Amino acid sequence: DGGITQSPKYLFRKEGQNVTLSCEQNLNHDAMYWYRQDPGQGLRLIYYSQIVNDFQKGDIAEGYSVSREKKESFPLTVTSAQKNPTAFYLCASSIVGTGNYEQYFGPGTRLTVT
Amino acid sequence: DQQVKQNSPSLSVQEGRISILNCDYTNSMFDYFLWYKKYPAEGPTFLISISSIKDKNEDGRFTVFLNKSAKHLSLHIVPSQPGDSAVYFCAASAGSGGSQGNLIFGKGTKLSVKP
Repeated sequence: DGGITQSPKYLFRKEGQNVTLSCEQNLNHDAMYWYRQDPGQGLRLIYYSQIVNDFQKGDIAEGYSVSREKKESFPLTVTSAQKNPTAFYLCASSIVGTGNYEQYFGPGTRLTVT
Repeated sequence: DQQVKQNSPSLSVQEGRISILNCDYTNSMFDYFLWYKKYPAEGPTFLISISSIKDKNEDGRFTVFLNKSAKHLSLHIVPSQPGDSAVYFCAASAGSGGSQGNLIFGKGTKLSVKP
């Protein structure tokens, strides 16, 4: 079964701690993305990667970091520098260069920082 | 500044009737548009898309219309079913740009279909 997995579904952390959210895909997609969704808001792009060992900042990258050591994996670290980390985080992937810009999304991780 | 706008936060429709969800955009470089459906605490799922070279695309009960001169697109759902109740996001891509494949999302419209 091809798809994107994000774990865990719910994550709780104390303020001041870094936390890493996992994202794995077996769709053989080159590009991967991290979004954040807040209530009443659309999806805002945090980071994206179109190829292994390369990634770019999105619109709201401050306080976040990523790595792309493998094609299948794109973990996101929410650092203590992120001022409002509590949110619903979504990972997505897509094919690159075909003219089809559809992104496939994982089920999301709800992060709560207290 | 929002490049993709969904000005109606919510829409309520009777089962069996037509649902029309609207989306406006400001960036004339956008050349590909998508609609996603999202249930609470789940990831969005792709519904339908349209390229800027077309003005209509249909898939079953879902039709997307694009009016490039007005920078406006709409999603029509006919007939609406209770299972269509979800948040619908409009997204756009400037595919030929440097950030090829990146999507800009609207804030979403919550559709409620009443039996």
